[in-house]
Amino acid sequence: EAEVAQSPRYKITEKSQAVAFWCDPISGHATLYWYRQILGQGPELLVQFQDESVVDDSQLPKDRFSAERLKGVDSTLKIQPAELGDSAMYLCASSRDITTEAFFGQGTRLTVV
Amino acid sequence: RKEVEQDPGPFNVPEGATVAFNCTYSNSASQSFFWYRQDCRKEPKLLMSVYSSGNEDGRFTAQLNRASQYISLLIRDSKLSDSATYLCVVKEGNAGKSTFGDGTTLTVKP
Repeated sequence: EAEVAQSPRYKITEKSQAVAFWCDPISGHATLYWYRQILGQGPELLVQFQDESVVDDSQLPKDRFSAERLKGVDSTLKIQPAELGDSAMYLCASSRDITTEAFFGQGTRLTVV
Repeated sequence: RKEVEQDPGPFNVPEGATVAFNCTYSNSASQSFFWYRQDCRKEPKLLMSVYSSGNEDGRFTAQLNRASQYISLLIRDSKLSDSATYLCVVKEGNAGKSTFGDGTTLTVKP
């Protein structure tokens, strides 16, 4: 069964450092999502791509976060500089198209110290 | 008011019980609806899509009420393994923006 791949699984970084997460969606999935999930809450959409284009980044803190999906396949989410409040699970998901169900990767658990 | 609201619970039920969760949404332009299951410290996994006519998958039944803007999930004959957090997801029609609820926690006890 095809899966969404994410790396790393866990990341500990010091505040003010840069950190990057990588996601490889299910092959053929045009839509890719990055979510942030804080314990006890549902995932919050940070950015959504349709192929290589951003279709929604309204909740992305653009002063420190950036995301790209240059060839419309895999994607990178970067935080620079990291802050203590960025500690969370970062989830990547993909879907065949914009209206269909999304499948999640295992996530990257970020701890900022 | 949140765009998607769920009763956080927790719902504590005995094995074999029937339990129902509701999820209300505020955006009338919403087109697609889903239920996900999330185990502790794991990623959400798709449980089922919610269709206008309702749908059933074994012990699970999902319903959509567009007039009142809510979706529901019914679990019959609860198993210990059903213990998890259940998240509803609402997608807009045009941009396909997905909004998750904060989840409802279910604990099934022997």
